[in-house]
Amino acid sequence: DGGITQSPKYLFRKEGQNVTLSCEQNLNHDAMYWYRQDPGQGLRLIYYSQIVNDFQKGDIAEGYSVSREKKESFPLTVTSAQKNPTAFYLCASRVTGYSNQPQHFGDGTRLSIL
Amino acid sequence: GENVEQHPSTLSVQEGDSAVIKCTYSDSASNYFPWYKQELGKGPQLIIDIRSNVGEKKDQRIAVTLNKTAKHFSLHITETQPEDSAVYFCAARRNTGFQKLVFGTGTRLLVSP
Repeated sequence: DGGITQSPKYLFRKEGQNVTLSCEQNLNHDAMYWYRQDPGQGLRLIYYSQIVNDFQKGDIAEGYSVSREKKESFPLTVTSAQKNPTAFYLCASRVTGYSNQPQHFGDGTRLSIL
Repeated sequence: GENVEQHPSTLSVQEGDSAVIKCTYSDSASNYFPWYKQELGKGPQLIIDIRSNVGEKKDQRIAVTLNKTAKHFSLHITETQPEDSAVYFCAARRNTGFQKLVFGTGTRLLVSP
């Protein structure tokens, strides 16, 4: 089945540690996104990539980093500089080249602090 | 930039009743309005979307209406069922430049049997 796979489902971070969240898609989508979701809030954009080897900061990029070396993969690293990393992280992808195509989401990774 | 407001934040209905969730947006250039349903521990799933050249769209028990003049759009669920219980998000996006999707803050819908 085509879709977006996020792993792990749950992740724990120790003080001062960097952790990496995986996002893989087999939908052949060019654009990929990372969102952060906090209770009672909408989804906030962390980073996005519209093509391989290119990515841009979203609204809350501080303390995060990404890479886009392959079309199907867009990993997110939560660095020790992110002082409040506890949240639900969602990866999404979308086909480009056609107007108004929807974003499709993975099932998220829940990150907590130890 | 775009701002999307969503109301109510929680909505409780009895099975079989209708539910209406409303969103307003600020950017008059927005022309794409999707609705997502998010179940506990899952990612959002697209349930219906509407484009600015259309005033209403239906898909079985779900409908979305758009009023571009007033800059608001609504989700209507008829004959609600317990499995409709979830958090619903509206969003808006313009079709120029980078197409950033701006989300509302979500509505928790509870359908009681």
